[in-house]
Amino acid sequence: DVVMTQSPDSLAVSLGERATIRCKSSQNLLYNSNSKTYLAWYQQKPGQPPKLLIYWAFTRDSGVPDRFSGSGSETDFTLTISSLQAEDVAVYYCHQYYSAPYSFGQGTKLEIK
Amino acid sequence: EAHLVESGGDLVQPGGSLRLSCAASGFSFSDYEMTWVRQAPGKGLEWVSYISHDTATIFYADSVRGRFTISRDNAKNSLFLQMNSLRAEDTAVYYCASGFYYDAWGQGTLVTVSS
Repeated sequence: DVVMTQSPDSLAVSLGERATIRCKSSQNLLYNSNSKTYLAWYQQKPGQPPKLLIYWAFTRDSGVPDRFSGSGSETDFTLTISSLQAEDVAVYYCHQYYSAPYSFGQGTKLEIK
Repeated sequence: EAHLVESGGDLVQPGGSLRLSCAASGFSFSDYEMTWVRQAPGKGLEWVSYISHDTATIFYADSVRGRFTISRDNAKNSLFLQMNSLRAEDTAVYYCASGFYYDAWGQGTLVTVSS
């Protein structure tokens, strides 16, 4: 089974500053036959369902602000928020859909410093 | 725009059964794989089960295999999760989500397993 490990568990960043969340998978998520990396990022605000931010490791979903970006490859991935806004306070999850059982990271709680 | 609405959550005793439903609209349901994800109170997301668009492929988490059954009715744009032999650790909000990566989620339905 693929284990997803995020770091840090929590993060406090000042408004306008950069926030970086990391995710490490126990297996390579790159499928060589189509050159796609099976990694997504979600944002979950209190009392709400998760919202898709990024898929295929770096493709932003429709309507997601461009301050959100995904990067990385194979087993090491990063979600970056270039300039933190108040509405970005949330818990962020990475998710691998490469191999069942599909799995999520434990989550990273992002707060304002 | 895709819209998913879960129902069927309730308070049930340990060992009991429950059937969750997810009604889909706003997209071509029969073309999409579907997934159940759960979230225990104050905890993170846990992937539960997957079903392909044509029901040919089904996967379960180890924690629910043999107790839960996922199914769908494409004619009625509906997804189901039959949950048997429920345990206290199954207490969670259960979400249905569509697609390979989950681009649409329902609001969730709460399942509480307690005596």
